[in-house]
Amino acid sequence: EPEVTQTPSHQVTQMGQEVILRCVPISNHLYFYWYRQILGQKVEFLVSFYNNEISEKSEIFDDQFSVERPDGSNFTLKIRSTKLEDSAMYFCASSRDSSSYNSPLHFGNGTRLTVT
Amino acid sequence: AQTVTQSQPEMSVQEAETVTLSCTYDTSESDYYLFWYKQPPSRQMILVIRQEAYKQQNATENRFSVNFQKAAKSFSLKISDSQLGDAAMYFCAYRSERGGTASKLTFGTGTRLQVTL
Repeated sequence: EPEVTQTPSHQVTQMGQEVILRCVPISNHLYFYWYRQILGQKVEFLVSFYNNEISEKSEIFDDQFSVERPDGSNFTLKIRSTKLEDSAMYFCASSRDSSSYNSPLHFGNGTRLTVT
Repeated sequence: AQTVTQSQPEMSVQEAETVTLSCTYDTSESDYYLFWYKQPPSRQMILVIRQEAYKQQNATENRFSVNFQKAAKSFSLKISDSQLGDAAMYFCAYRSERGGTASKLTFGTGTRLQVTL
């Protein structure tokens, strides 16, 4: 069964540095998402992306965050200047349709970001 | 805005027994979808079961079933014949039925399920 893949599985960075988290969605999916889960807390929506533009973003997704689909397969999340509170598990997800019963979100295994 | 509430931070069940995890939600929409996701220690998010709001019949997937009460805005998950591999964090999630743009999932805070021998 096709999977969403995320790299790296764990990223350690120093405060103030830029990081790029990478995701390869399922190939025939058109809708892409990033979620964040701070340790011990619930999974929070960051951003959704369709047709090469952001569909919706949460208040967490401020100017230090950006997303991009640089080619036909990758979907990236960039954090420009990391803060300690950005330490979290970041999940990429994709779906075939915008919102339908037969098109649930498929999640990757996540990238654990540690900011020191 | 939609909210999802899981009032049980932790639950425990004996192997082979049945357990029910609670979820309530708040929305003004009439068409939407509800999901239960499982997150084992590996942290992967695995879809367990899903329900369309306009379907009265409760969804079932093998040992997993839901009790969907639309009027009460309640969506509980029942796990029958619990197995050690069911031990995980379980998240209830809501998704709006909205075409054209990517529709996000709104998650509850999760219930940690322990399965004992």
